[in-house]
Amino acid sequence: DAGVIQSPRHEVTEMGQEVTLRCKPISGHDYLFWYRQTMMRGLELLIYFNNNVPIDDSGMPEDRFSAKMPNASFSTLKIQPSEPRDSAVYFCASSPDRGLGYTFGSGTRLTVV
Amino acid sequence: EDQVTQSPEALRLQEGESSSLNCSYTVSGLRGLFWYRQDPGKGPEFLFTLYSAGEEKEKERLKATLTKKESFLHITAPKPEDSATYLCAVHGSGGSNYKLTFGKGTLLTVNP
Repeated sequence: DAGVIQSPRHEVTEMGQEVTLRCKPISGHDYLFWYRQTMMRGLELLIYFNNNVPIDDSGMPEDRFSAKMPNASFSTLKIQPSEPRDSAVYFCASSPDRGLGYTFGSGTRLTVV
Repeated sequence: EDQVTQSPEALRLQEGESSSLNCSYTVSGLRGLFWYRQDPGKGPEFLFTLYSAGEEKEKERLKATLTKKESFLHITAPKPEDSATYLCAVHGSGGSNYKLTFGKGTLLTVNP
């Protein structure tokens, strides 16, 4: 089991550019979550999917953020245009069922300059 | 809205010096309380889930306990490899959404 796989591990981009973060969940896990972690705010849920369908996107900060899950093995989080305040570590996590602990990926450290 | 407060923010221990981390929570109907460990540069790693007051779970030198308002993570005779940030999270029954609300964590440093 390779776990939850995220790419890239690090991303440095200029303000105004489009950024796409990628996630491959654990096979058989029906729930997929995108979290953002900063020193000030800790871990914040951005959006989660159940069986590839977005269920709750109330944590997405604004229209510049979008997420998709075209199939059970792949999800993307896109920021367009990016801003310096988007700098954070973005985590993807998956879970086989509600009430069970998530498995997190190693995260993508995003720096917007 | 579910809330989680962890204390202390940081804790330094000597190897072998037992202590406890606190997680206070406010939630409308607790479905589960979770403890995670996070090492620098890595994602959080699942440790325990507790579902009801009075429940306890153990793993090596760690024991998690739960009351109606808080949870404790007890660390017995810690070793330097226990150094990490420990995160607490709750899953509440408010609404139909399934999500975990995390605290900001306790940074534990165990000196040899």
